[in-house]
Amino acid sequence: AQSVTQPDIHITVSEGASLELRCNYSYGATPYLFWYVQSPGQGLQLLLKYFSGDTLVQGIKGFEAEFKRSQSSFNLRKPSVHWSDAAEYFCAVGEVEYGNKLVFGAGTILRVKS
Amino acid sequence: EPEVTQTPSHQVTQMGQEVILRCVPISNHLYFYWYRQILGQKVEFLVSFYNNEISEKSEIFDDQFSVERPDGSNFTLKIRSTKLEDSAMYFCATARGEGNIQYFGAGTRLSVL
Repeated sequence: AQSVTQPDIHITVSEGASLELRCNYSYGATPYLFWYVQSPGQGLQLLLKYFSGDTLVQGIKGFEAEFKRSQSSFNLRKPSVHWSDAAEYFCAVGEVEYGNKLVFGAGTILRVKS
Repeated sequence: EPEVTQTPSHQVTQMGQEVILRCVPISNHLYFYWYRQILGQKVEFLVSFYNNEISEKSEIFDDQFSVERPDGSNFTLKIRSTKLEDSAMYFCATARGEGNIQYFGAGTRLSVL
């Protein structure tokens, strides 16, 4: 079965510091990969996606992610974190052959300290 | 920017009662999905729907669950006889095509008492 692993349940960073959230996936074919963000009481907002092509993808709010096939990873990065980035972040893989259902990781809660 | 709209935002029901959760997809989207997130747990796929039929469903989506698009606009999830363990946030997502980005609604929080 396909799976997504986000090894860090919680991460705390200082405002202005850099951020990297880890994501590893298990998927037989070339994956569709996504990062979503969820603020408390809100829905899921797409940050960025990887379908094919350039392995470094840019998203909204200054986020980027790099697809590394050899490591089965799709880590999310931001060079300078803002207090408003505090939220829960979900990595997901799209299973195209199964109606493109998304398989989500458990999420990483980001806390930003001032 | 077009968005997926879900109603109600919060539904409280008694165990054994039927509930219907509603979703208005983005207008030109053809693929529809329901996911749920039990408090503190990961988001889980329930069902995908295309061309008026289910294309994929998870083990969670048993006979107590059903989906339909009765009027060509609303996409609904019905739980026939709710159980305590159905308490969760239910998200609707829609996509223009297979393999396209799924856009999520803000969710319906279902509380079964």
